[in-house]
Amino acid sequence: SAVISQKPSRDICQRGTSLTIQCQVDSQVTMMFWYRQQPGQSLTLIATANQGSEATYESGFVIDKFPISRPNLTFSTLTVSNMSPEDSSIYLCSVPASGGTEAFFGQGTRLTVV
Amino acid sequence: AQSVTQPDIHITVSEGASLELRCNYSYGATPYLFWYVQSPGQGLQLLLKYFSGDTLVQGIKGFEAEFKRSQSSFNLRKPSVHWSDAAEYFCAVEGGSQGNLIFGKGTKLSVKP
Repeated sequence: SAVISQKPSRDICQRGTSLTIQCQVDSQVTMMFWYRQQPGQSLTLIATANQGSEATYESGFVIDKFPISRPNLTFSTLTVSNMSPEDSSIYLCSVPASGGTEAFFGQGTRLTVV
Repeated sequence: AQSVTQPDIHITVSEGASLELRCNYSYGATPYLFWYVQSPGQGLQLLLKYFSGDTLVQGIKGFEAEFKRSQSSFNLRKPSVHWSDAAEYFCAVEGGSQGNLIFGKGTKLSVKP
């Protein structure tokens, strides 16, 4: 199993500012995922964070808006840049379910942009 | 492309009644399927998973799910609902070799006394 610590758990931010979310895993993992859950919606994959290479972004998400760092095999950050109220969501990091194991999720960061 | 459909947005059941939450998937090969629960203000908790073998899968908190390949379904069931089961339930399929999950839109369960 994997235990994921994500912080902050919540924040209220002014529009135009940026917020960096941290995700720490208690074991080494090759890939980490960042998801967004908009109010009343399901989880949507933002990007895959690989250690030692640039993150891979899903359609509709760009690096300038959601820069990701992956400095080592246990840690990643997601930055939400130049925020607008539309960025108000829960952001979750996850380590993958591969070939028969479950996916583990952080507790999520509830972001409100005012 | 892989996808997951949860046709029911919101379901209300009486405490003690049985529950079935529907999930249909689209996937080319044998899918890895999951049910997660998200309580208000909480993270995602895995209820159960299907990878292969027995098509009836038992999970935590008294939940079970049945994989039906012919119907592309993976419905979640519980024989007697408790008030603490009120939450949002997500069905998911493993999307590819990287292990990311594709989620359905979720079903919100309300339990009335």
